[in-house]
Amino acid sequence: SQTIHQWPATLVQPVGSPLSLECTVEGTSNPNLYWYRQAAGRGLQLLFYSVGIGQISSEVPQNLSASRPQDRQFILSSKKLLLSDSGFYLCAWGEQEISTEAFFGQGTRLTVV
Amino acid sequence: DAKTTQPTSMDCAEGRAANLPCNHSTISGNEYVYWYRQIHSQGPQYIIHGLKNNETNEMASLIITEDRKSSTLILPHATLRDTAVYYCIVREGYNFNKFYFGSGTKLNVKP
Repeated sequence: SQTIHQWPATLVQPVGSPLSLECTVEGTSNPNLYWYRQAAGRGLQLLFYSVGIGQISSEVPQNLSASRPQDRQFILSSKKLLLSDSGFYLCAWGEQEISTEAFFGQGTRLTVV
Repeated sequence: DAKTTQPTSMDCAEGRAANLPCNHSTISGNEYVYWYRQIHSQGPQYIIHGLKNNETNEMASLIITEDRKSSTLILPHATLRDTAVYYCIVREGYNFNKFYFGSGTKLNVKP
C-alpha cells in the first residue's frame, strides 16, 4: 500500500534562517506531488505541484521554492524565512490519472520567530 | 481559486444524519466534485468524489443535483469523531489533479 512521510512534525525557526522540509512517498511510482500551506484558521493554499523529476510549477509568488530530486521525494525550501512563512505545511500525492484523489501527509507546523 | 461555496459552520446531533451542502454553480462538464475533511491539526482525509451520479462508500454518500450546480455530503450517523472541517472541492484539469480548497464547513457533532 502507499504511504506518505513528512517531517519534521513541528519546527521553530528564527527569521532569516533557511528551511528544508522533506516529503517522501512509498508504494507508487511517478506520482503527482503537491505542497500546500495552511495559515492559522484558514483554508489550504496550493503552493507547488510536480508531475515528474525536476518539474516544478508554482501557484503563487512567495519566499519558498520546491524541488523534486527523485521520483518520490519532494522538498520545500527557503533561503531566508519570514514571519509570514509560519503555518501548517502539507505534502500530498496523487496518481497521474483523471479521476483519482490526493492523499495528504500529516503536516509540518512551522513557527517562524 | 476555490470554485465552491459552503456554509461556515453547522451543528449536528450525535447519531443523526449530517447533511453538508455545497454550491458549485460554475462547474464544467469534465470537473469532479470531491469531499475532504480535516480534523484539527491533521492532514486532510479523502471522503468521496463524483461526477454526475450519486456515490456511496463506507464513510458517506454524495448527492449531486441533476444540473450539477450543487451537491450534498451525507454522513448517515454522525459521531463525535466526525467533528471536523469539511471541504467541497471542484477539481480542475485532467493530468495534474490540482485541488483548490476553500474555507470549508466546520461540522460540530454534539452529544
